[in-house]
Amino acid sequence: QQPVQSPQAVILREGEDAVINCSSSKALYSVHWYRQKHGEAPVFLMILLKGGEQKGHEKISASFNEKKQQSSLYLTASQLSYSGTYFCGTGPSEGTYKYIFGTGTRLKVLA
Amino acid sequence: EAQVTQNPRYLITVTGKKLTVTCSQNMNHEYMSWYRQDPGLGLRQIYYSMNVEVTDKGDVPEGYKVSRKEKRNFPLILESPSPNQTSLYFCASSLRQGAELSYGYTFGSGTRLTVV
Repeated sequence: QQPVQSPQAVILREGEDAVINCSSSKALYSVHWYRQKHGEAPVFLMILLKGGEQKGHEKISASFNEKKQQSSLYLTASQLSYSGTYFCGTGPSEGTYKYIFGTGTRLKVLA
Repeated sequence: EAQVTQNPRYLITVTGKKLTVTCSQNMNHEYMSWYRQDPGLGLRQIYYSMNVEVTDKGDVPEGYKVSRKEKRNFPLILESPSPNQTSLYFCASSLRQGAELSYGYTFGSGTRLTVV
């Protein structure tokens, strides 16, 4: 079952902040975050391997709460280049080595 | 340049005509996988491979086959394509530390397949 991301879509002005959430009904062992621009392949942003571990990438950071089976992506002082669709990815899953992606969040940054 | 190469980028075919989408990576990655992306459904895993000769089903394997005879190559085979396999397909690879894909995926550029 796919992790559920919220919100489904968000529109920001340059300089504003945003939070994207990823929630799973199953235990999360690791969480990846990716950004996909229109017509392109997803690009890896960061991975969180331990509960509570926070990672950063430019002005983008993330947190991982194992107990709540959630991860959040924080975009600070957004730039036009942040526009795209963000996906969380989780795995391994269900005693297999599947890696599954969340439902996606479309983010658009306006000038 | 480290990369995952998929071919072709675009393909239009007819129902029932066997086709193969190739995927090759030059990073010595153990883990390789195929995903399809459809509007509103996100990325869904078709098959994955932990290493040479080790493959397993993802969440949507019906109608697809894969093989992993060499570490660098992981072709996706559609024996008898149908219109519901019209989609955007991505191949991806990653280093693996135990069960974790500790360095995330590198994706290919994608193959847009239309089955008429």
